[in-house]
Amino acid sequence: AQKVTQAQTEISVVEKEDVTLDCVYETRDTTYYLFWYKQPPSGELVFLIRRNSFDEQNEISGRYSWNFQKSTSSFNFTITASQVVDSAVYFCALSGQYGNKLVFGAGTILRVKS
Amino acid sequence: ETGVTQTPRHLVMGMTNKKSLKCEQHLGHNAMYWYKQSAKKPLELMFVYSLEERVENNSVPSRFSPECPNSSHLFLHLHTLQPEDSALYLCASSQDLAYYEQYFGPGTRLTVT
Repeated sequence: AQKVTQAQTEISVVEKEDVTLDCVYETRDTTYYLFWYKQPPSGELVFLIRRNSFDEQNEISGRYSWNFQKSTSSFNFTITASQVVDSAVYFCALSGQYGNKLVFGAGTILRVKS
Repeated sequence: ETGVTQTPRHLVMGMTNKKSLKCEQHLGHNAMYWYKQSAKKPLELMFVYSLEERVENNSVPSRFSPECPNSSHLFLHLHTLQPEDSALYLCASSQDLAYYEQYFGPGTRLTVT
């Protein structure tokens, strides 16, 4: 069975602080895909990134960076110099090689205060 | 219109009503999904369609009935719902099945009274 755990239910930071959102996954597939989504208060989930299990290179996109470590089955997400607009619920998700569906974690609520 | 649209955005219905939620994607994708998001619960996948064929039905009660007339449109027909069915219903689409990223609509906030 596949499982995604986001142990942090809620995180509060002050603007300009760096923040890391943790994601730990379980799967027996050798090929799998990991995703991060952002859900702002408006409700729509916004796709942020997809990584496949063979690509362990870390990725940086502006203030966002992702650290994928197969050895610890983790795919953590860091926001540098957080801003109020980053306040949202962030979901980590997993898909197997032949799966028809994404398995989502419970989400982490990020509150960035000015 | 671009992306994934959903109508209505808000819906209040009684337990004896029949209503439908509509989703339309303008991305040329082959797969479409319905999710339910309740307060303090993980996202629940309800149905998956690929090329207009249902490929996943996650033990959803029969009071929810999906319909996919073509690859751009997806409906969720609702009848005799229960108050616990009140939730945000999200539609998504992807190029193909789930190893591709999914693009979500804004959701329909459903309240069952």
